[in-house]
Amino acid sequence: NAGVTQTPKFQVLKTGQSMTLQCAQDMNHEYMSWYRQDPGMGLRLIHYSVGAGITDQGEVPNGYNVSRSTTEDFPLRLLSAAPSQTSVYFCASSYSIRATGELFFGEGSRLTVL
Amino acid sequence: GDSVTQMEGPVTLSEEACLTINCTYTATGYPSLFWYVQYPGEGLQLLLKATKADDKGSNKGFEATYRKETTSFHLEKGSVQVSDSAVYFCALSDRGSGNTGKLIFGQGTTLQVKP
Repeated sequence: NAGVTQTPKFQVLKTGQSMTLQCAQDMNHEYMSWYRQDPGMGLRLIHYSVGAGITDQGEVPNGYNVSRSTTEDFPLRLLSAAPSQTSVYFCASSYSIRATGELFFGEGSRLTVL
Repeated sequence: GDSVTQMEGPVTLSEEACLTINCTYTATGYPSLFWYVQYPGEGLQLLLKATKADDKGSNKGFEATYRKETTSFHLEKGSVQVSDSAVYFCALSDRGSGNTGKLIFGQGTTLQVKP
């Protein structure tokens, strides 16, 4: 039972570098999303998708891009990394946007930007 | 806007002690309420939920009751175990935010249970 798989688990970047965090789910979920987790702030929604070819912005989208070419995959791209993007990133999915209270989370990707 | 406030942590308890983690919320609509748990090195997992006032969610010995009059959803367990050590997040999903599917999370409360 793979569920939601994120890679890499850890990454260190220099300011200005770009990278992609990968997310894949094998549950045929329509809805996928990316959150960032920062100390004392809970989790905040970055981007989300309700199906292949459909993406939209969440609460904190600046500096990030997403795409959804297949139902299974939802990569998050950092265009030009900044120290403020140091965080733990979680990909989460649900069978429907109407059931997003019941999210399935990946194990997280810890990103440090120097 | 909508928000969730949890009690500050960490909470440190001895095994078999009673647990209460306070959670209050502010919402303009009629939210569904959730507790998620994050074990060390893992992603969040849904622990329990309640979708309307006076509903009680329960799972693994944990309970929480949706109190509309006090806008609260406190997490309780009668006897904690070392294996309950984790970070607990209260969250709400306002049906009015169904266009994004966003969950609004509290800041999380760390629970440490000592043998």
